[in-house]
Amino acid sequence: GQQLNQSPQSMFIQEGEDVSMNCTSSSIFNTWLWYKQDPGEGPVLLIALYKAGELTSNGRLTAQFGITRKDSFLNISASIPSDVGIYFCAGQLTNAGKSTFGDGTTLTVKP
Amino acid sequence: GAGVSQTPSNKVTEKGKYVELRCDPISGHTALYWYRQSLGQGPEFLIYFQGTGAADDSGLPNDRFFAVRPEGSVSTLKIQRTERGDSAVYLCASSLTPQGGYTFGSGTRLTVV
Repeated sequence: GQQLNQSPQSMFIQEGEDVSMNCTSSSIFNTWLWYKQDPGEGPVLLIALYKAGELTSNGRLTAQFGITRKDSFLNISASIPSDVGIYFCAGQLTNAGKSTFGDGTTLTVKP
Repeated sequence: GAGVSQTPSNKVTEKGKYVELRCDPISGHTALYWYRQSLGQGPEFLIYFQGTGAADDSGLPNDRFFAVRPEGSVSTLKIQRTERGDSAVYLCASSLTPQGGYTFGSGTRLTVV
């Protein structure tokens, strides 16, 4: 089946630094999604990408849908303590309903 | 309600018992999904409902797992003869359309002892 590889697995950064994480797939997707999950909660949608090459921002977050449709990256600028959590990428095929998730990047922000 | 509600939030059961997990989606969301999340991993797809019918149940691991959504709103995930390997957080999500992101509930943590 489809596999998503997220890297890095974990990151320890200083408050104020920029963060970059990415997600690669062995097969193409038509939609890429980025979620954040806090302990004891379900994932929360951050950004959705629908077209190859698309670059979308949501506040300090920017994500891109790779040209090959097999990858995506997420950048966080000027990190703050509340950015701490696990970030998941997910891929979808058109109208398939289900998403395939990566295993997450755990972000720790040191004040 | 405003969000996706899952009950119970925690469930401890003995190996071999039957359990039911409930999901109340956002009102008006026709698409409903069940995922399972083990520690240190991303959510793993189980089943997707469009309205009352299961549009894709390819993620159900075996015939001990079954889900229903009889009136196109509330859904119940049923697990028979539970095994210790079934222990995980079971997440429910809903959306207006099957394309794009979902709204997840907080999950039910199932522990089989």
